[in-house]
Amino acid sequence: SQTIHQWPATLVQPVGSPLSLECTVEGTSNPNLYWYRQAAGRGLQLLFYSVGIGQISSEVPQNLSASRPQDRQFILSSKKLLLSDSGFYLCAWSGGRNQPQHFGDGTRLSIL
Amino acid sequence: AQRVTQPEKLLSVFKGAPVELKCNYSYSGSPELFWYVQYSRQRLQLLLRHISRESIKGFTADLNKGETSFHLKKPFAQEEDSAMYYCALLTNYQLIWGAGTKLIIKP
Repeated sequence: SQTIHQWPATLVQPVGSPLSLECTVEGTSNPNLYWYRQAAGRGLQLLFYSVGIGQISSEVPQNLSASRPQDRQFILSSKKLLLSDSGFYLCAWSGGRNQPQHFGDGTRLSIL
Repeated sequence: AQRVTQPEKLLSVFKGAPVELKCNYSYSGSPELFWYVQYSRQRLQLLLRHISRESIKGFTADLNKGETSFHLKKPFAQEEDSAMYYCALLTNYQLIWGAGTKLIIKP
């Protein structure tokens, strides 16, 4: 069966430091991969999605970037974190464009 | 504009009472809608999708294109239904999410 792993679960970083959140999927090949940010009272906001290795689409301009170095690996990065980057970040995968998305446990990011 | 609205941030009902979580959408194409649920300390998970026309954990949701709604219903609430519920609309690759409704089932 397919599984999705996301780490770390929580992260506290100082302003201006770099960021790397990792997400991997097992048990499937060529998944669509997604990074979301979940804000309290505002639902989920799609940040990036990828339909294949090296293919990244950005939905909102921001201080973050994403990369997909391998088929089942999706990384969310920043060179310099801002206070406004604090939040809850979720990785998800789906089997195709019209397939349901399946979520990881999320990462709680706090910027000090 | 593509939008999903869940008008209630919080819904509290007694155990055994009927539950209806409201979801309205705005989309010019043919909508594909989902309900996701997040129980305490668990990950966000798919509850049901409209094209499946199935009942999961006693919940059903019917797509009403005339009213642009996809309300989630259960005739008799159970305490284990307490959770955060999100309605989502699939457009191209993107899921457009409602803000969520926190459902509390009182004993």
